[in-house]
Amino acid sequence: DTGVSQDPRHKITKRGQNVTFRCDPISEHNRLYWYRQTLGQGPEFLTYFQNEAQLEKSRLLSDRFSAERPKGSFSTLEIQRTEQGDSAMYLCASGTGDSREKLFFGSGTQLSVL
Amino acid sequence: GDSVTQMEGPVTLSEEAFLTINCTYTATGYPSLFWYVQYPGEGLQLLLKATKADDKGSNKGFEATYRKETTSFHLEKGSVQVSDSAVYFCALRGGAQKLVFGQGTRLTINP
Repeated sequence: DTGVSQDPRHKITKRGQNVTFRCDPISEHNRLYWYRQTLGQGPEFLTYFQNEAQLEKSRLLSDRFSAERPKGSFSTLEIQRTEQGDSAMYLCASGTGDSREKLFFGSGTQLSVL
Repeated sequence: GDSVTQMEGPVTLSEEAFLTINCTYTATGYPSLFWYVQYPGEGLQLLLKATKADDKGSNKGFEATYRKETTSFHLEKGSVQVSDSAVYFCALRGGAQKLVFGQGTRLTINP
């Protein structure tokens, strides 16, 4: 257990539905990252937060995706109007944000869009 | 942009064999380099890291040396065990704060 929790572990949805994932980072970490991982590939960066501020968004993050970290603690990632191509493992990681930062990853949320 | 290229898998070895998983990178500046491991059913875990040229990261019998001249960070272990079976990811962190990962190498160790 890395201390980073993600919920749910698995989500099956129908195309066109909205889904929301939650990540609870290690409490003293002010950085929170979201990654997406498809089968046989490495994780791809989506976005990250420094406290409650969203500092960078990947071009992979279309306007159907939105992420929040309202109080600088937990974060949510919402996908609207899901498409089959959104099927992937969504990973969350947290870190201290300093030069020696070590990232701790959650176990991920596996999304299947039917 | 920054990128990482890993040796394609899967890799299958017998217990006590020598392991090398190749990793090369492209980056501007002087990135930090990492190996992460993902055991079955678990999240990504940091295995080792190196933050500057010629540094050697080591952990659990694994080693990797940051080679700036060849832009490489190959992972090695002298004698693998069945419990080392996992997916291994090479990654870098450059001027941008995010980690950039390679595609991963699945390693299976047979007893």
